[in-house]
Amino acid sequence: QKEVEQDPGPLSVPEGAIVSLNCTYSNSAFQYFMWYRQYSRKGPELLMYTYSSGNKEDGRFTAQVDKSSKYISLFIRDSQPSDSATYLCAMSAGGATNKLIFGTGTLLAVQP
Amino acid sequence: GAGVSQSPSNKVTEKGKDVELRCDPISGHTALYWYRQSLGQGLEFLIYFQGNSAPDKSGLPSDRFSAERTGGSVSTLTIQRTQQEDSAVYLCASSRTPNINYGYTFGSGTRLTVV
Repeated sequence: QKEVEQDPGPLSVPEGAIVSLNCTYSNSAFQYFMWYRQYSRKGPELLMYTYSSGNKEDGRFTAQVDKSSKYISLFIRDSQPSDSATYLCAMSAGGATNKLIFGTGTLLAVQP
Repeated sequence: GAGVSQSPSNKVTEKGKDVELRCDPISGHTALYWYRQSLGQGLEFLIYFQGNSAPDKSGLPSDRFSAERTGGSVSTLTIQRTQQEDSAVYLCASSRTPNINYGYTFGSGTRLTVV
């Protein structure tokens, strides 16, 4: 079993829809949680960062962490065609190296 | 530089040949990471550098893989006697420090194809 599980999709939604992306994990030591967005043939870029449990909002994006369930979510409101990309969850236990463990990514297509 | 630069962007090599992949991190970033991204496998950690030292090389898949970093800047990932299963996108990332709050900045990667 992988430490981080993520549904690979693909997920196709119409423009303006609310998108929900999720990851589950098994390592209770994880305390830093991130979402990265990756466009085709590009490197991942950091979208959202959350420490421990709770919610964080940034514009149309909301990240949620539920450590008791080992479950994290990313919500995208009013989705746009420019949101079409692969979304990767990542998490870390911190420590000296700050090594990130990534999910496999969910491919999202927002149809105009 | 303004971002993390990786070269070459694409590399096709014959099975059994050696390849070198280069990463030029953001100036002043002391932490440098190499990841490998294979289809359906997500990003797999390979090695971490702090300055010129590699305190965590636990992700290197075999002794055919090695990496070095010189001058606290440029890093080279070398794969010897390449195999078809080495085909993947190799991503480099840098961070000002290992502190999680700064996050990583990734390069666009080197797409390696072993034929």
